[in-house]
Amino acid sequence: EVQLLESGGDLVQPGGSLRLSCAGSGFTFSSSAMGWVRRAPGKGLEWVSAISGGDRDTYHADSVKGRFTISRDNSKNTLYLQMSSLRVEDTAIYYCAKMEGFWGGKGWFDPWGQGTLVTVSS
Amino acid sequence: DIVMTQSPDSLAVSLGERATINCKSSQSLLFRSNNMNYLAWYQQKPGQPPKLLIHWASTRESGVPDRFSGSGSGTDFTLTISSLQAEDVAVYYCQQYYDPPSTFGQGTRLEIK
Repeated sequence: EVQLLESGGDLVQPGGSLRLSCAGSGFTFSSSAMGWVRRAPGKGLEWVSAISGGDRDTYHADSVKGRFTISRDNSKNTLYLQMSSLRVEDTAIYYCAKMEGFWGGKGWFDPWGQGTLVTVSS
Repeated sequence: DIVMTQSPDSLAVSLGERATINCKSSQSLLFRSNNMNYLAWYQQKPGQPPKLLIHWASTRESGVPDRFSGSGSGTDFTLTISSLQAEDVAVYYCQQYYDPPSTFGQGTRLEIK
């Protein structure tokens, strides 16, 4: 069974940094494209970042470009999202997800982890 | 960016009745070379992560009840639940993966009448 478990969510002040992790199991992590999607309070889903499997191409939404960095450690079956210069509007539940049909940074998301809450507030 | 617009924003349907959710994209999601529509549907229940229901606009995932079906092509798509069950109460999202960045509709909240 494919499982994804996020961690690292926390309360952080504006301008601060945070690193989210997502541990994968039950599938060949190293060859799987992965992504982060967030849901802000009272809002819908927003794609944040994606990373390819073997060649590790990375993609970021314009709203986080230059502030967030997606990466992976295939030896640990773990996906990361390094978040810096955090803003109040980055407050959201962050989900990691395995991506299918992946090409050029896009595809569908299946399955999803349970999510981790990031709150940016002073 | 491709804008995805769902209608209605919320919907109340009686148990056993049909529920229909629409999704319109600002540009065609049909890739001519493979004749595939680059659209997915998700269900999100309270306190749970989204669950993939359908990809390629009409391909239902394994384990998804056959009362869920997806249709449409180009810019207009529909998710239909043929006979609403209590466990179908959720927010439903469409997502395009035709052009980066991938974008979602605003969501449709489905409730029991």
